[in-house]
Amino acid sequence: GEDVEQSLFLSVREGDSSVINCTYTDSSSTYLYWYKQEPGAGLQLLTYIFSNMDMKQDQRLTVLLNKKDKHLSLRIADTQTGDSAIYFCAERSRGGKLIFGQGTELSVKP
Amino acid sequence: GAGVSQSPSNKVTEKGKDVELRCDPISGHTALYWYRQSLGQGLEFLIYFQGNSAPDKSGLPSDRFSAERTGGSVSTLTIQRTQQEDSAVYLCASSFAGDTEAFFGQGTRLTVV
Repeated sequence: GEDVEQSLFLSVREGDSSVINCTYTDSSSTYLYWYKQEPGAGLQLLTYIFSNMDMKQDQRLTVLLNKKDKHLSLRIADTQTGDSAIYFCAERSRGGKLIFGQGTELSVKP
Repeated sequence: GAGVSQSPSNKVTEKGKDVELRCDPISGHTALYWYRQSLGQGLEFLIYFQGNSAPDKSGLPSDRFSAERTGGSVSTLTIQRTQQEDSAVYLCASSFAGDTEAFFGQGTRLTVV
């Protein structure tokens, strides 16, 4: 079955890079996603990567995918206090179902 | 509508009562998902509708939970004989089939007292 695992907490200093890691089990996943949930707000798509890609960069965000190890990471460069949120990793199976991890709470200290 | 709409936004119910939660997806979206988020927990998959296919109900935690999607649009999640452990935020999302992004509603916060 599908399963997605993330570490629960990450704390960094403002200006440092943040790296949030995720592992998944479904080798037939088509897309992998990072969603962001800010306090009191809904989930919003941050970025995604197609399963045949290794890397995707979008401004301060870099997504790395190691398909062999089923490992996904999100790097946020020059982390700001406004980046404090819960970050969810998700995989989309070939059947279309979206499975989320437990979320990583990122705390950015000034 | 402009986005995924869920109602009510908050619901307080007594233990043992039935509740219905509603989701209006974005017009034209064929895929619809229900998730549950308990305090401090991740998103627990409940059920997935895709077009006219049989829904994937593999995440429903017990037979007290059921969901329908009428006319390929609005969906209702029903919880019968609610228990305190059902207290959570119930989130709905929708997308075009095979699309990269699923759009989420603001959720219904259910409190069972």
